[in-house]
Amino acid sequence: GDSVTQMEGPVTLSEEAFLTINCTYTATGYPSLFWYVQYPGEGLQLLLKATKADDKGSNKGFEATYRKETTSFHLEKGSVQVSDSAVYFCALSANTGFQKLVFGTGTRLLVSP
Amino acid sequence: EPEVTQTPSHQVTQMGQEVILRCVPISNHLYFYWYRQILGQKVEFLVSFYNNEISEKSEIFDDQFSVERPDGSNFTLKIRSTKLEDSAMYFCASSEGHTDTQYFGPGTRLTVL
Repeated sequence: GDSVTQMEGPVTLSEEAFLTINCTYTATGYPSLFWYVQYPGEGLQLLLKATKADDKGSNKGFEATYRKETTSFHLEKGSVQVSDSAVYFCALSANTGFQKLVFGTGTRLLVSP
Repeated sequence: EPEVTQTPSHQVTQMGQEVILRCVPISNHLYFYWYRQILGQKVEFLVSFYNNEISEKSEIFDDQFSVERPDGSNFTLKIRSTKLEDSAMYFCASSEGHTDTQYFGPGTRLTVL
């Protein structure tokens, strides 16, 4: 079945460092890909998405490119802030039926001043 | 900004007891979902609901689970006889259309003793 694998955390960075969180997927067909973020005490929020190969999703300085050849959707940000500390979830939906999301385990990001 | 709400934020129950987790989806949304995350594991899809009936369910969603939209605003998940392994964070989500972004609530942490 469909699955998502993302890097283990926590990822600990200093403010203004470059961030990469790796995400790879296994799916039949052409899924849509998502990054969700969960800030402490809050629900999952959509950060960005891409619906077809080579699409780049971007939001709040974060970006990820849908790479079909490597089945990857790595999250990047050029300069992280303390306020980016959260748990980041990579997910896919199979674009068939009722669009259930398949999630990775989540990666906790800790940014220190 | 409209948001999905969930109550309670934390529920502690004894094994074998029934629990009802409550969600208020965004008001103009038509598609509703429950997901859960056992500590340290992936966020897993449980069930999707549309037009007052289940549209898709996972193998986790067995006869112990049921969902209901008892009125125009609430969406509930009932577990009839809780087991220790039901301890998890339960997330409700809703979307306007079945291909639209799913908006998540903050979750209910269920602890079964």
